[in-house]
Amino acid sequence: EIVMTQSPATLSVSPGESATLSCRASQSVSSNLAWYQQKPGQAPRLLIYGASTRATGIPARFSGSGSGTEFTLTISSLQSEDFAVYYCQQYNNWPPLTFGGGTKVQIK
Amino acid sequence: EVQLVESGGGLVQPGGSLRLSCSASGFTFNTYAMNWVRQAPGKGLEWVSTISSDGGSTYYTDSVKGRFTISRDNSKNTLYLQMNSLRAEDTAVYYCTNRGMAAAGIRVFECWGQGTLVTVSS
Repeated sequence: EIVMTQSPATLSVSPGESATLSCRASQSVSSNLAWYQQKPGQAPRLLIYGASTRATGIPARFSGSGSGTEFTLTISSLQSEDFAVYYCQQYNNWPPLTFGGGTKVQIK
Repeated sequence: EVQLVESGGGLVQPGGSLRLSCSASGFTFNTYAMNWVRQAPGKGLEWVSTISSDGGSTYYTDSVKGRFTISRDNSKNTLYLQMNSLRAEDTAVYYCTNRGMAAAGIRVFECWGQGTLVTVSS
C-alpha cells in the first residue's frame, strides 16, 4: 500500500497571500496524483488530477506540480473561500486508492 | 446535471447490517465505474470500494473485505453497498462518487453525493 504524507498539518495564511501544500508518496506514483478541497459539512471537491491538470471549473489560482514521490499544491492569492482542508490522493497503484491525512489552511 | 443521492444510513448495533444505496442521474450510469469513499467523524478520507461499469469487477480496502459487498443495478441507475458485521470503526459518512469529466481509467473522484451517515454503536 502506498502511504501518502501531507505537510504541514495546518497552515496559517493571510488573505491575498499564497499557500504551498506538500504531499509525499512512500513510493513513486508517477503523475497519478490528485488534490481535493473540503469545507466543513460539504463533500470534497476535485481540484487537480494528473498532478497538474485542473478539474472542470477550478480557478487558475490553484496549481499543482511534481511527479514521482514529491508533489505540491499552490494556491496563489488566497480568497476567503479557499480556507478549507486539502487532501492528496494517489491512483497509480491500487487497490487501495490512498489519501493523505490532509492539510488545513486557516486564516492567519 | 450529475446527481448522486445516497440513502440508507443510520444507527446500527455492532455486528449488524445495513445497505446503502446511491441513486444516480444526469450521466450514462452504465459507462462509469462507481466508488464508495468514507470519512469518519473529524477524520480524513478513506477509499472503501470500487465497482466496474458492468459490475464484473469489484475492489475493496482490506478492512472491509469479506464484510462489505458493492453492487450495482444498471437498469435502475443505482449503486449499493451491503455492509455486514459492522464495527464501531465503520462509523463514518459514506459518499458515492465517480470520476466525472476525468478520462476513463483515471481513478479520481470528481462527482460526489451529499453522503449518508452510518453510526455503529450499542
